[in-house]
Amino acid sequence: GQQLNQSPQSMFIQEGEDVSMNCTSSSIFNTWLWYKQDPGEGPVLLIALYKAGELTSNGRLTAQFGITRKDSFLNISASIPSDVGIYFCAGQPGGYQKVTFGTGTKLQVIP
Amino acid sequence: DTGVSQDPRHKITKRGQNVTFRCDPISEHNRLYWYRQTLGQGPEFLTYFQNEAQLEKSRLLSDRFSAERPKGSFSTLEIQRTEQGDSAMYLCASSSPGGTEAFFGQGTRLTVV
Repeated sequence: GQQLNQSPQSMFIQEGEDVSMNCTSSSIFNTWLWYKQDPGEGPVLLIALYKAGELTSNGRLTAQFGITRKDSFLNISASIPSDVGIYFCAGQPGGYQKVTFGTGTKLQVIP
Repeated sequence: DTGVSQDPRHKITKRGQNVTFRCDPISEHNRLYWYRQTLGQGPEFLTYFQNEAQLEKSRLLSDRFSAERPKGSFSTLEIQRTEQGDSAMYLCASSSPGGTEAFFGQGTRLTVV
């Protein structure tokens, strides 16, 4: 099935550092979503973006909807151990609700 | 509102057996989705319901798979004659009318031995 490309695929960072990850698509989306998934659990929605150029924050998380509508970015500031997990981007085309997921970025935080 | 609920959380079955999973969406969410996730991959779309109508099925959903949502509330996903390649996490999600945010359940982990 179709998937979005996320980078980096995995990253190790020191606690307190900031993290950036991005997601690109060959298709235009009208909604971008960012999820976090812990092992053995379902994805949990972190941030939803609805407009090209939009910048939205949720606590230490900030996400941006790329102006081309083909990319999105997620930043985590001052990382903490509980940020560990897999982060997925997801896109929804206009007028249809099927969510297409990215390949995931695995984040590990070193205390 | 208790979120999306899936049952069972884990299922181990022998190859060739049939299995059925249940999903209870968030109340008043009219859209329900099934996804499959294998290790190291993102969730892949299987099928989608709006109320009781199944509006799209992925090519991933072979004829051994069938999903129903008879009263527009809970949904079931049945896999007949399971194969080892069916081993995966099966995720259910729901969204509200007009909503674009899909909320996921905890998933059912299927292992076919």
